[in-house]
Amino acid sequence: GAGVSQSPSNKVTEKGKDVELRCDPISGHTALYWYRQRLGQGLEFLIYFQGNSAPDKSGLPSDRFSAERTGESVSTLTIQRTQQEDSAVYLCASSLLGGMTENEQFFGPGTRLTVL
Amino acid sequence: AQSVTQLDSQVPVFEEAPVELRCNYSSSVSVYLFWYVQYPNQGLQLLLKYLSGSTLVESINGFEAEFNKSQTSFHLRKPSVHISDTAEYFCAVGRMDSSYKLIFGSGTRLLVRP
Repeated sequence: GAGVSQSPSNKVTEKGKDVELRCDPISGHTALYWYRQRLGQGLEFLIYFQGNSAPDKSGLPSDRFSAERTGESVSTLTIQRTQQEDSAVYLCASSLLGGMTENEQFFGPGTRLTVL
Repeated sequence: AQSVTQLDSQVPVFEEAPVELRCNYSSSVSVYLFWYVQYPNQGLQLLLKYLSGSTLVESINGFEAEFNKSQTSFHLRKPSVHISDTAEYFCAVGRMDSSYKLIFGSGTRLLVRP
């Protein structure tokens, strides 16, 4: 079956513009995660969705970042008024169940965002 | 809070040589431990994990890792590497107490040369 997909694979934007990144999780997976990976660093947790529960937004770095998920399907991560420090690879993952770190997360290929 | 340290940003080795990728963690609570691998132009894939039981865990492609609680380490080893093992390897920890957040290390790039 299909894995986690993300689009676009690459995005170059100018400082101050808004961008929207998309994630299609594996069908049937109830949990969805967004991470950010800056060059030479590990993955930083951004946000977590689990079913119809309120998302955990504790990892979002500023109010310029927001994310939505419709039911148990597509999620979009929006960055408003992009800054150069937002340049990174944004990774999406999904898992069949949520709530426990032992539930395997399946990752998409990421979106590489470059802010000029 | 938890943290993960991968001291080696890059490890070059020759094909068929043994390799060890180091991972140390700190945590005030019990954790699960994971190694993820990212092959060129692909997403991260789970390589192996320690949840409980035997402290030595193995992957299907010959990697193994041993959980050492006293040294707070989870080093990844392979006795003989292949060119196809060239990839970036990430160590991660997750709390056992019903938390979904994984804390990742900065990654180690394994470069296997012929």
